[in-house]
Amino acid sequence: NAGVTQTPKFRVLKTGQSMTLLCAQDMNHEYMYWYRQDPGMGLRLIHYSVGEGTTAKGEVPDGYNVSRLKKQNFLLGLESAAPSQTSVYFCASTATVGREGAYEQYFGPGTRLTVT
Amino acid sequence: QQQVKQSPQSLIVQKGGISIINCAYENTAFDYFPWYQQFPGKGPALLIAIRPDVSEKKEGRFTISFNKSAKQFSLHIMDSQPGDSATYFCAAKKSNTGKLIFGQGTTLQVKP
Repeated sequence: NAGVTQTPKFRVLKTGQSMTLLCAQDMNHEYMYWYRQDPGMGLRLIHYSVGEGTTAKGEVPDGYNVSRLKKQNFLLGLESAAPSQTSVYFCASTATVGREGAYEQYFGPGTRLTVT
Repeated sequence: QQQVKQSPQSLIVQKGGISIINCAYENTAFDYFPWYQQFPGKGPALLIAIRPDVSEKKEGRFTISFNKSAKQFSLHIMDSQPGDSATYFCAAKKSNTGKLIFGQGTTLQVKP
């Protein structure tokens, strides 16, 4: 199993350009997440999905859109990139959210995005 | 607002020493408290986790201490090794959701 994979690994955009980050998981997980990681701020949740066809906003959703057309894929879009979106983006997935169930988010390797 | 506060921001420990990282949370509606370990260029990975009905959990050299009344929890790394050098994040899971709130992270350096 590849686990959680992210495409691309690196990207440089100019202000105003658009792009889509792809996350794929082969663990049949229901829940998927997009985070951004910035120095001194930890990981902040951008958007998440509790199942195929669903999406919801996290802590910092502005400037991003997401889609979950297939259970194994979760796409993060930037319609008009801004320098403030320079960050490392991580995708994660998890199988169970139940109180008694094991709960572990599995993270991808990240995408380093620079917006100039 | 930052619901999970982590300290220190960075930590240097000699090999064989004890590393201690602290977290405090503001919201009582959390039901799961994990610690994640992240190596440079990699995604975070679950290290150890605890539920609020337990005061301590130990896995090998790693121990979580949990103080529900103080709304604090900490990670202790005993006999710290250079291979433990990484960034550590505490987190808290919101009850009845799959959402984690992460602390700011602590960069640990273990000197040989």
